[in-house]
Amino acid sequence: GAVVSQHPSWVICKSGTSVKIECRSLDFQATTMFWYRQFPKQSLMLMATSNEGSKATYEQGVEKDKFLINHASLTLSTLTVTSAHPEDSSFYICSARPLGAASYNSPLHFGNGTRLTVT
Amino acid sequence: AQSVTQPDIHITVSEGASLELRCNYSYGATPYLFWYVQSPGQGLQLLLKYFSGDTLVQGIKGFEAEFKRSQSSFNLRKPSVHWSDAAEYFCAVGEIGNKLVFGAGTILRVKS
Repeated sequence: GAVVSQHPSWVICKSGTSVKIECRSLDFQATTMFWYRQFPKQSLMLMATSNEGSKATYEQGVEKDKFLINHASLTLSTLTVTSAHPEDSSFYICSARPLGAASYNSPLHFGNGTRLTVT
Repeated sequence: AQSVTQPDIHITVSEGASLELRCNYSYGATPYLFWYVQSPGQGLQLLLKYFSGDTLVQGIKGFEAEFKRSQSSFNLRKPSVHWSDAAEYFCAVGEIGNKLVFGAGTILRVKS
């Protein structure tokens, strides 16, 4: 159980276009989802925390207008990279915390990530 | 601010040999500590976690980790490595609200 699905698993887009990445919790509800970014040979960096029905909380240095996050339901959060540029090319991973789980001591469930390449 | 240090970028071990991956953290209070494994192009899989209690925690795939408060460490160990263990391993500390601060990762190579 506790599966998080990310779609697409990879995407190539042209500079200036927008790309939407979906993160779904398949067999549980998630009030909170997290979006991470991972550059090649580097660790994961938290971009934003998304809460169902409210605005996402962005980490310092992450452009809200560039990385639009929507968490419209308890099973779906989306990350839209707007006007993508080559420097946005990265591996994006989402994670989800099950509804009702304690904020500290519940392991997060991760998606398999989305490889974005902007040409 | 919390931070996690994984001093070894790469480690190579022979199949069947023992393994220890180092992790040091900086955190003001009792930390919530995690080890994750990532295969190439994949998401993260939780290996084990420490919240409180017994400082030696057992995880999946035969891994264990020991929390040592005096050394601010949470090293991951496995007595006998299998070729399928080759992957990248991340240590992380949990912040308020389930945010995770990750270390830089250690790439494990297994030679036969």
